[in-house]
Amino acid sequence: NAGVTQTPKFQVLKTGQSMTLQCAQDMNHEYMSWYRQDPGMGLRLIHYSVGAGITDQGEVPNGYNVSRSTTEDFPLRLLSAAPSQTSVYFCASSSPGDRGRLPQHFGDGTRLSIL
Amino acid sequence: GDSVTQMEGPVTLSEEAFLTINCTYTATGYPSLFWYVQYPGEGLQLLLKATKADDKGSNKGFEATYRKETTSFHLEKGSVQVSDSAVYFCALKSGGSNYKLTFGKGTLLTVNP
Repeated sequence: NAGVTQTPKFQVLKTGQSMTLQCAQDMNHEYMSWYRQDPGMGLRLIHYSVGAGITDQGEVPNGYNVSRSTTEDFPLRLLSAAPSQTSVYFCASSSPGDRGRLPQHFGDGTRLSIL
Repeated sequence: GDSVTQMEGPVTLSEEAFLTINCTYTATGYPSLFWYVQYPGEGLQLLLKATKADDKGSNKGFEATYRKETTSFHLEKGSVQVSDSAVYFCALKSGGSNYKLTFGKGTLLTVNP
């Protein structure tokens, strides 16, 4: 049972560099989301997708892009890394069943430092 | 908009002590409520959930009851163990929006032997 797989687990970047955080799920979930976790702030939604080809912005989308070409994958791109993007990033997925009451499943996170 | 207010931490307890972590919420409609746990260096795991008023979620000795009248979902455990040391997040999902959880800020629990 792989569940939600995130890579890499750790990454250090220099300001201005770009990179892609990978997220894959093998549960055939339609819904996928990206969150960032910062000390004392809980988790905040960056972008989400309700199905292949459909994405939308969350609370804190600036500086990030996403795409959803397949049901399984939902990569998050940092276009030009900034120190304010130093954070732990979590990908989550869920099924639309049970009228929206099903929980989200989370990956183990990517710890990203921007120097 | 939706919001979750969680008891500020950190909380430090001795083994076998009683635990309560308070959580209150503001939401439109009838949200589903969740507690997630994050062990050091790991991702979030669902601990328990409740999807309608008066439901009680329970798992691993933890319990929480969905109280619509007080808009609360407090987490309790009768006897904590060292292995319960973690960060606990209260979260809600409202309006059938399966893509978005609204989280509290998290409460760090440390249990000493």
